[in-house]
Amino acid sequence: NAGVTQTPKFQVLKTGQSMTLQCAQDMNHEYMSWYRQDPGMGLRLIHYSVGAGITDQGEVPNGYNVSRSTTEDFPLRLLSAAPSQTSVYFCASSYDGGGEKLFFGSGTQLSVL
Amino acid sequence: GEDVEQSLFLSVREGDSSVINCTYTDSSSTYLYWYKQEPGAGLQLLTYIFSNMDMKQDQRLTVLLNKKDKHLSLRIADTQTGDSAIYFCACGSSNTGKLIFGQGTTLQVKP
Repeated sequence: NAGVTQTPKFQVLKTGQSMTLQCAQDMNHEYMSWYRQDPGMGLRLIHYSVGAGITDQGEVPNGYNVSRSTTEDFPLRLLSAAPSQTSVYFCASSYDGGGEKLFFGSGTQLSVL
Repeated sequence: GEDVEQSLFLSVREGDSSVINCTYTDSSSTYLYWYKQEPGAGLQLLTYIFSNMDMKQDQRLTVLLNKKDKHLSLRIADTQTGDSAIYFCACGSSNTGKLIFGQGTTLQVKP
């Protein structure tokens, strides 16, 4: 049982480059979300999805796009990376949206130079 | 927007009790959580409490909720070196998986 899998674990980008952070879960969870973690700021919600075909913005959505074409996958796209997007990114999923069942991936550490 | 505040650092000696505090602004929060993050890892749910409760105990962990003051605390009894980590308080008010996190409290346990 893999749980929530994020790839890659580490990535270095140059300003202006684009990339996609992958997130997959094998628990048939309806709810998936992306957070970024910055020192001294806790985790902030970027985008979330309550089911396939449905996405919505979180607290800090600018500069990021998401899609949810399948229940399993919830990729996060950076269209034109900026140094302000240097952060650790966490994907999370849950069966019913309740935080008591929120499972986190191990994170992607992204540096934008 | 809604806010969750925590102190950034706590240092205790092994065997002592640790108390990590959290305040929040969203009075409609129905779930309040404590997560633990070890170095290089994701967040692990430690415990949670519903807003209609004022205390929850789970082995060495005790969560206290004061809804009037919007104050949440996590007490770890007999703190061990393995408890050294960052502890996050989080609040949620709907079944969307949307949580508001505090900044995290780094717990340092000295032998």
